[in-house]
Amino acid sequence: AQSVAQPEDQVNVAEGNPLTVKCTYSVSGNPYLFWYVQYPNRGLQFLLKYITGDNLVKGSYGFEAEFNKSQTSFHLKKPSALVSDSALYFCAVRDDTGGFKTIFGAGTRLFVKA
Amino acid sequence: ETGVTQSPTHLIKTRGQQVTLRCSSQSGHNTVSWYQQALGQGPQFIFQYYREEENGRGNFPPRFSGLQFPNYSSELNVNALELDDSALYLCASSSGLAENNEQFFGPGTRLTVL
Repeated sequence: AQSVAQPEDQVNVAEGNPLTVKCTYSVSGNPYLFWYVQYPNRGLQFLLKYITGDNLVKGSYGFEAEFNKSQTSFHLKKPSALVSDSALYFCAVRDDTGGFKTIFGAGTRLFVKA
Repeated sequence: ETGVTQSPTHLIKTRGQQVTLRCSSQSGHNTVSWYQQALGQGPQFIFQYYREEENGRGNFPPRFSGLQFPNYSSELNVNALELDDSALYLCASSSGLAENNEQFFGPGTRLTVL
């Protein structure tokens, strides 16, 4: 069965410092991995996805994510955090076995302090 | 290009009542998925519609039902409302059924069941 784990409920980082939001997954087939961000009273916004190929994926707003097959991880990163990055981040997974369901993690709240 | 829209924004119902939530997909998208996001949790997949047919369903009871119309807009109907149905209901659209397609989310409908 598919599953996603975001081990940290909250991540705190100072503005200008690098940030990492962690995600691990479990799927039957090859994974398709996504990161979404949710601002208060808003729907989810797509940040980036991994399909195949280069393990480092670049996305919107300067975010990137590193796919690690051996560790079944897909951590979200940004070299220099902004206060405006403060939001709720969700990791999500599908696989290539013909499934239609997207499984989301519970979310990690990111606080960036000025 | 018009994004995903949902109506109403907020809704208050009492236990046992029925509710209909509406979603207009992004222009050019023929696939709509519905999610339930309870407070403090990640979105949970309810079902997906592709070209007016239900394409897949999550672990939700039959009192959760849906429709997709020829213009690819969609409705989510919930009968016999329970207190635990209180949540943010998110609609997401995408183009086609490919597992690696990202989804575009609407702002959600906040349902409160009293």
